[in-house]
Amino acid sequence: GENVEQHPSTLSVQEGDSAVIKCTYSDSASNYFPWYKQELGKRPQLIIDIRSNVGEKKDQRIAVTLNKTAKHFSLHITETQPEDSAVYFCAASMDGGSQGNLIFGKGTKLSVKP
Amino acid sequence: DGGITQSPKYLFRKEGQNVTLSCEQNLNHDAMYWYRQDPGQGLRLIYYSQIVNDFQKGDIAEGYSVSREKKESFPLTVTSAQKNPTAFYLCASSITAGGSYNEQFFGPGTRLTVL
Repeated sequence: GENVEQHPSTLSVQEGDSAVIKCTYSDSASNYFPWYKQELGKRPQLIIDIRSNVGEKKDQRIAVTLNKTAKHFSLHITETQPEDSAVYFCAASMDGGSQGNLIFGKGTKLSVKP
Repeated sequence: DGGITQSPKYLFRKEGQNVTLSCEQNLNHDAMYWYRQDPGQGLRLIYYSQIVNDFQKGDIAEGYSVSREKKESFPLTVTSAQKNPTAFYLCASSITAGGSYNEQFFGPGTRLTVL
């Protein structure tokens, strides 16, 4: 089955710097890749997602890139702010996630220091 | 953050007891999911259901059971057979049935502690 590896497990940056979180997946049939943000004590929330027919997607300070050949995708956060501090999870699935088989990475704890 | 609720927020259980976690959604979503979250382990799928009266095992279903008698409700029972039940449990729902919109909306979670 699908396996998702996420790195790094912890990341500390200065406010205003960029942060990059990387994930690799094993199943070349995976075609949907969401990213979730979980603030301390709160529920995970979708922040951005990308499908396999697109190489890059951007939403203000957040962008995701996908390399299907290498089977990896990355989350890029520019101009980081203290409120970006959270745990970020990547995930992968087939069939656009409709089969309920989102496989999550183990998470990256991002700390943004003011 | 309305739409999907879980209760209780905190739950304590003695070893050997079964306990049921509630999950309700008013988003009219067809699909519902249960995840377990442990420190450093991410989210692992326990069970999911795409329609009423149907559900499928996820990656770590052993020691758990579910039911889906109503579209709005997907309760999870943690049985005494679950060897390490202390964890944070998250319920989620999404639109499904062939649609391309697959965002999963999460509930606030239930923290279960076995004493």
